[in-house]
Amino acid sequence: SAVISQKPSRDICQRGTSLTIQCQVDSQVTMMFWYRQQPGQSLTLIATANQGSEATYESGFVIDKFPISRPNLTFSTLTVSNMSPEDSSIYLCSVVTGSRSGNTIYFGEGSWLTVV
Amino acid sequence: GESVGLHLPTLSVQEGDNSIINCAYSNSASDYFIWYKQESGKGPQFIIDIRSNMDKRQGQRVTVLLNKTVKHLSLQIAATQPGDSAVYFCAENGAGNQFYFGTGTSLTVIP
Repeated sequence: SAVISQKPSRDICQRGTSLTIQCQVDSQVTMMFWYRQQPGQSLTLIATANQGSEATYESGFVIDKFPISRPNLTFSTLTVSNMSPEDSSIYLCSVVTGSRSGNTIYFGEGSWLTVV
Repeated sequence: GESVGLHLPTLSVQEGDNSIINCAYSNSASDYFIWYKQESGKGPQFIIDIRSNMDKRQGQRVTVLLNKTVKHLSLQIAATQPGDSAVYFCAENGAGNQFYFGTGTSLTVIP
């Protein structure tokens, strides 16, 4: 397993501002991902954070809105740019590690953002 | 575009009864599936997993059933307890080790 810490855990943000979320893992992991969970909904994959190269974004998500850094195998950041109320969500950092059955994904506790 | 204001499917069970939570997945090529539990105010927690070469796997009080013919997963919780109240998600793996999540079901256990 992996222990994942996210900061901030919660924040209230002004419309039009940007916020950077940090994710720290207690061990080196190859695969890190960022998810968004809007109120009352399931988790949606934003992007794969690639160490040493640009992130790989899912359909509907773009680098200008959600720039991602991955400077090493234990750390990543997600920035939510030019925020609007529609960006109010939980943002979750996750890592994938191996298990007996296959790869398993673990999550941080999330960063709960409210945009006003 | 994205829909706003959708509500999760809900399931209410009496304490002590068995719960069955269902999930339909989309990709017939997915070969690994996981069930997650998300309590209020917390991130998702791993419950149980199953590979596509199996149709049933049991854990402590939980059983996952996989029907590849109709692309359906179910999670059975035996003797449901108040602490089981949460939202439950199934997830299927993608080609690049990403995981894609189902809609989720909100389980409420009535004491």
